Amino acid sequence: DTGVSQDPRHKITKRGQNVTFRCDPISEHNRLYWYRQTLGQGPEFLTYFQNEAQLEKSRLLSDRFSAERPKGSFSTLEIQRTEQGDSAMYLCASSLDRQQGQMNTEAFFGQGTRLTVV
Amino acid sequence: AQTVTQSQPEMSVQEAETVTLSCTYDTSESDYYLFWYKQPPSRQMILVIRQEAYKQQNATENRFSVNFQKAAKSFSLKISDSQLGDAAMYFCAYINFEGGGGADGLTFGKGTHLIIQP
Repeated sequence: DTGVSQDPRHKITKRGQNVTFRCDPISEHNRLYWYRQTLGQGPEFLTYFQNEAQLEKSRLLSDRFSAERPKGSFSTLEIQRTEQGDSAMYLCASSLDRQQGQMNTEAFFGQGTRLTVV
Repeated sequence: AQTVTQSQPEMSVQEAETVTLSCTYDTSESDYYLFWYKQPPSRQMILVIRQEAYKQQNATENRFSVNFQKAAKSFSLKISDSQLGDAAMYFCAYINFEGGGGADGLTFGKGTHLIIQP
């Protein structure tokens, strides 16, 4: 396994266009998270999937943001009608469930997709 | 809501010396983990060290160790024998496992930029 993979690495789009990013987590990981990181800040949590179920989405930044994980494997993050303020690094992370006697819960991050809205 | 505070935007240390990065957090929960992540320039976030809140013993990973003061809600990172490859942004992060079982994702501090002087 090569770790968490994100595609594309860079995306430049015009304001008002829709964009979609893909994340392929580590294969045995059932938890998947999306974060946004702006310059000089730590990552900010957006949404969370356990298998195919999106268990937390209230922190998505607006109704222009949506995410899916249709088969519990890869996930997509879509931003509709992009704005210049959406320019940021979008990070995906995956992890295992915390199970009895297994506390290996750290998140493994992808390299991110850097979005620039012009 | 949980918060994580890193009060040192930038730290500088001579190669082979020891440096300590500070982190404080605020939570009312008792079941949580703390992490230090390293983010080199234009590279992905990688885990440095993990501390489970229920463990009294401070975590250690080779040259990296933490000073976990649960009552004071403090979680500092000590890097011994600093190397040029340690230069990066370091983020302190918290995740709560009560209730939602990690569904709120990681809460990050703003980061500390570590410079290693040759």
